[in-house]
Amino acid sequence: GESVGLHLPTLSVQEGDNSIINCAYSNSASDYFIWYKQESGKGPQFIIDIRSNMDKRQGQRVTVLLNKTVKHLSLQIAATQPGDSAVYFCAENNYGQNFVFGPGTRLSVLP
Amino acid sequence: DTAVSQTPKYLVTQMGNDKSIKCEQNLGHDTMYWYKQDSKKFLKIMFSYNNKELIINETVPNRFSPKSPDKAHLNLHINSLELGDSAVYFCASSQEGGQGAYNEQFFGPGTRLTVL
Repeated sequence: GESVGLHLPTLSVQEGDNSIINCAYSNSASDYFIWYKQESGKGPQFIIDIRSNMDKRQGQRVTVLLNKTVKHLSLQIAATQPGDSAVYFCAENNYGQNFVFGPGTRLSVLP
Repeated sequence: DTAVSQTPKYLVTQMGNDKSIKCEQNLGHDTMYWYKQDSKKFLKIMFSYNNKELIINETVPNRFSPKSPDKAHLNLHINSLELGDSAVYFCASSQEGGQGAYNEQFFGPGTRLTVL
């Protein structure tokens, strides 16, 4: 399973640059994945999802890539904006079992 | 209109007390959940519940118990509070999708519990 470090991983990017947030998931049998965004003082909010029969899915300014071989998921945010600053979580699901969340990555957008 | 609401937003209490956190969803969803988020932002599911089944994470102490008066509510009762219970608790709901189907979970704003 995922290990939780002493500090939340942080990614700092300049406003306007692209961001890539990575997630290593634990269960090779997981077949559905979601990226959530959690702003300060709020609950997680759905961004984008992907099923295991896909390698890539695009939304508005966001793209999720899935590499099942190495159990890796990434979230790409194009033209990062100050409003994108938040903690991002990946979550995996195995055939309708409960979602298991990754440890989260804090994205800081620099002016 | 708030989809998933929780009360209170903040709860400060003494060790040993019993407290409850309320959750309501107006989305008509079948399934509700409670999550605990620790100081490192790690989110862990505690319970999932629909009108058919309560699934308990085996690591959750039996001092925690969910109570569902109706489909739109899932309250969390905590007995004999301990220092380690301090965390942010999130309620969530989703529409049951059946075997092999998935539906997005909608989260409430969270309740920050501080045990002194």
